[in-house]
Amino acid sequence: RKEVEQDPGPFNVPEGATVAFNCTYSNSASQSFFWYRQDCRKEPKLLMSVYSSGNEDGRFTAQLNRASQYISLLIRDSKLSDSATYLCVSPADRGSTLGRLYFGRGTQLTVWP
Amino acid sequence: GAVVSQHPSWVICKSGTSVKIECRSLDFQATTMFWYRQFPKQSLMLMATSNEGSKATYEQGVEKDKFLINHASLTLSTLTVTSAHPEDSSFYICSARDTKTGPNEQFFGPGTRLTVL
Repeated sequence: RKEVEQDPGPFNVPEGATVAFNCTYSNSASQSFFWYRQDCRKEPKLLMSVYSSGNEDGRFTAQLNRASQYISLLIRDSKLSDSATYLCVSPADRGSTLGRLYFGRGTQLTVWP
Repeated sequence: GAVVSQHPSWVICKSGTSVKIECRSLDFQATTMFWYRQFPKQSLMLMATSNEGSKATYEQGVEKDKFLINHASLTLSTLTVTSAHPEDSSFYICSARDTKTGPNEQFFGPGTRLTVL
């Protein structure tokens, strides 16, 4: 079973729409998570960290549901520039794998005018 | 913010040749660097963890003799793909962990696109 699972999409939404992605994780002991954004043929860039109950940064809100072991990312008022692949990431925090990141497959978002 | 560079950004080579990719942390020291590989429409897959001054730790299924990793200094790690074949064509990305910040703070290089003919 993979550490992190995501719906690959694609999600195609009009500008101004609200869109949400979910990501499930297998390690119930995980304390923190990340959402990364990856543009085509580019490296991943950190979008948000998700600790405890969640995090909000402008149009982006990340939530953590420990009971159901999933993380969500909500994007409000979508912009054309939000088109990218969004990667759900769980860091390994056990012993020898400290520092390792487990990447989900990514969810592709396309925002159209 | 911390900057990680990779060189080259892209490379095309003939089957059977070896290719070296460099990963540098430009403004911080990185005792640990990670090498990932990403195939089209797939996620990043960790290949190996590179620790300065010691042998790299390879993930299951990654051939250590084919993907040689050297981490000789706190700012440089290299990945050499030996006897490359077309199936090695992929996007190779490194990341570096800043020794002064938390264990989960990683900074990614811009990636190297390898095409083996």
